[in-house]
Amino acid sequence: GENVEQHPSTLSVQEGDSAVIKCTYSDSASNYFPWYKQELGKGPQLIIDIRSNVGEKKDQRIAVTLNKTAKHFSLHITETQPEDSAVYFCAAAAAGNKLTFGGGTRVLVKP
Amino acid sequence: NAGVTQTPKFQVLKTGQSMTLQCAQDMNHEYMSWYRQDPGMGLRLIHYSVGAGITDQGEVPNGYNVSRSTTEDFPLRLLSAAPSQTSVYFCASSLTDGGGYTFGSGTRLTVV
Repeated sequence: GENVEQHPSTLSVQEGDSAVIKCTYSDSASNYFPWYKQELGKGPQLIIDIRSNVGEKKDQRIAVTLNKTAKHFSLHITETQPEDSAVYFCAAAAAGNKLTFGGGTRVLVKP
Repeated sequence: NAGVTQTPKFQVLKTGQSMTLQCAQDMNHEYMSWYRQDPGMGLRLIHYSVGAGITDQGEVPNGYNVSRSTTEDFPLRLLSAAPSQTSVYFCASSLTDGGGYTFGSGTRLTVV
């Protein structure tokens, strides 16, 4: 089955700096790669996703890049703000939409 | 739309007891899944469904049963609770294959 690894497990950045989280996946059949943000006591919330026919996608301060050859994808958050502090999860899915999640990254944005 | 509704929010069970975690969505989503979240292990898929009457196992199905009699509801049954099932359980739904999942707010289960 699919295996998704996520790094780093914790990330501390100064407000205004950029944050980058990286994920690798094992199943070459995976074609859908979402990112979720989870705040304390809440369920994960989809923040951005990318499909295998696209190399990069951007939504305001958030961007995701995908390298299918190397089987890795990354989340980039620019101009970080305190409200970006949360746990972020990457995931991968092939047909059938069975998501396999990475282990999560705890992001702390220091004012 | 209420989205994905999970009940109860908190539950304490004794070892050996059984219970059902409820999940309902009002978005007419075909795909529904159950995940458990344990510290340091991310979210792991327990069972999922691609439509009414169709279910399949995920990564960690042992000790859990599901059924999907309607599009809206996807209950998760713990047959005989064990301390290893202490976790936070999330239900999620998606409209299409390859679409983003909407998660419920979770059920925190403690088995003593």
